[in-house]
Amino acid sequence: DQQVKQNSPSLSVQEGRISILNCDYTNSMFDYFLWYKKYPAEGPTFLISISSIKDKNEDGRFTVFLNKSAKHLSLHIVPSQPGDSAVYFCAASANYGGSQGNLIFGKGTKLSVKP
Amino acid sequence: NAGVMQNPRHLVRRRGQEARLRCSPVKGHSHVYWYRQLPEEGLKFMVYLQKENIIDESGMPKERFSAEFPKEGPSILRIQQVVRGDSAAYFCASSPQSGVNTEAFFGQGTRLTVV
Repeated sequence: DQQVKQNSPSLSVQEGRISILNCDYTNSMFDYFLWYKKYPAEGPTFLISISSIKDKNEDGRFTVFLNKSAKHLSLHIVPSQPGDSAVYFCAASANYGGSQGNLIFGKGTKLSVKP
Repeated sequence: NAGVMQNPRHLVRRRGQEARLRCSPVKGHSHVYWYRQLPEEGLKFMVYLQKENIIDESGMPKERFSAEFPKEGPSILRIQQVVRGDSAAYFCASSPQSGVNTEAFFGQGTRLTVV
């Protein structure tokens, strides 16, 4: 049972345009969400996060939006650059029980930004 | 992911052998997490350790797998009597503290191939 879902395995965008990566979750106990970027043969690199008490967090070209009622979050990258081409993972965590700190990951979306 | 060192980067084992994966966290970090990524899948949580203690091993297979994070030295993920299905990328992450709102830094991973 996948608690974090990234339904688009891939996304192709033209350089300079906006990239929108989507993520849905099922567990209402999740209260912290993160986006990681991963290049081939490397470990995931933290990009941006958002707490459930917010609905938007912005960091440079990256903005994450959270819609708690829809259990949906999205990562916007604008403008997209060829160096953004990577696999993007959505992750969530919950501060309850004994599972503090461990993240539940989606399967990832492969973003290709064409020059 | 700067600072988290995993070795070896690639490990080949024959069925039935033992695999030992090492992880040195970011200096000063006392919390270590192990994740496994199967091909075309997201990262799956395995185990969360603090120095000398296993905090959460809910994602760890009950048999053949063990993990430790001794007072001195790296964290070790040990897989006994490996089988082909153990072939995956194993990622270690560390954080300075537990709980939500804590970004985990990932290493580059160990790619285990069982032949």
